[in-house]
Amino acid sequence: EAQVTQNPRYLITVTGKKLTVTCSQNMNHEYMSWYRQDPGLGLRQIYYSMNVEVTDKGDVPEGYKVSRKEKRNFPLILESPSPNQTSLYFCASTSGNEKLFFGSGTQLSVL
Amino acid sequence: QKEVEQDPGPLSVPEGAIVSLNCTYSNSAFQYFMWYRQYSRKGPELLMYTYSSGNKEDGRFTAQVDKSSKYISLFIRDSQPSDSATYLCATGRPYGNNRLAFGKGNQVVVIP
Repeated sequence: EAQVTQNPRYLITVTGKKLTVTCSQNMNHEYMSWYRQDPGLGLRQIYYSMNVEVTDKGDVPEGYKVSRKEKRNFPLILESPSPNQTSLYFCASTSGNEKLFFGSGTQLSVL
Repeated sequence: QKEVEQDPGPLSVPEGAIVSLNCTYSNSAFQYFMWYRQYSRKGPELLMYTYSSGNKEDGRFTAQVDKSSKYISLFIRDSQPSDSATYLCATGRPYGNNRLAFGKGNQVVVIP
């Protein structure tokens, strides 16, 4: 089954404790991206990657890092999380046509 | 000005009613127009996609784009309880530098 898999689904952490949210897709897509979804603000892109070792900032990249060492994986790294990064995070991928496949989301709470 | 404006108010309708959702966008260069559906605790999934002005139908769903007024609409005929979800409009390209701009979404509840 074609899918984008994120882990974990839920995460509670404390300010300053580094964390990684993993994302993996099994569709051989070149393009992957990360979004955060906040009430009243909608979906906003954090980072995207056009291919292995090619990444670029989206609309709200501050406080986040990404890496793309393999085509299928695109982890999101928060090196020093803060409470304003409490949000619902989605990973997405596409082959370059118009259909963006989203993962099921990671609900992050930073205390 | 926001790239895409979608009044995020919730919408409750009785089963069988027509649901009408609307968005406006600001950038006349946008060429791709989409509607995503998001069920509770799930990621968005592409529902409708169109490249041009006019209507596109898929079963009970019709997407309408008016580029002259920068207006995007989604109509759901004969609405069903299974249509209860949040609907997000989006425009742009989903990859590359011309990224997708999303509306804030409308929560739709279809009451049996």
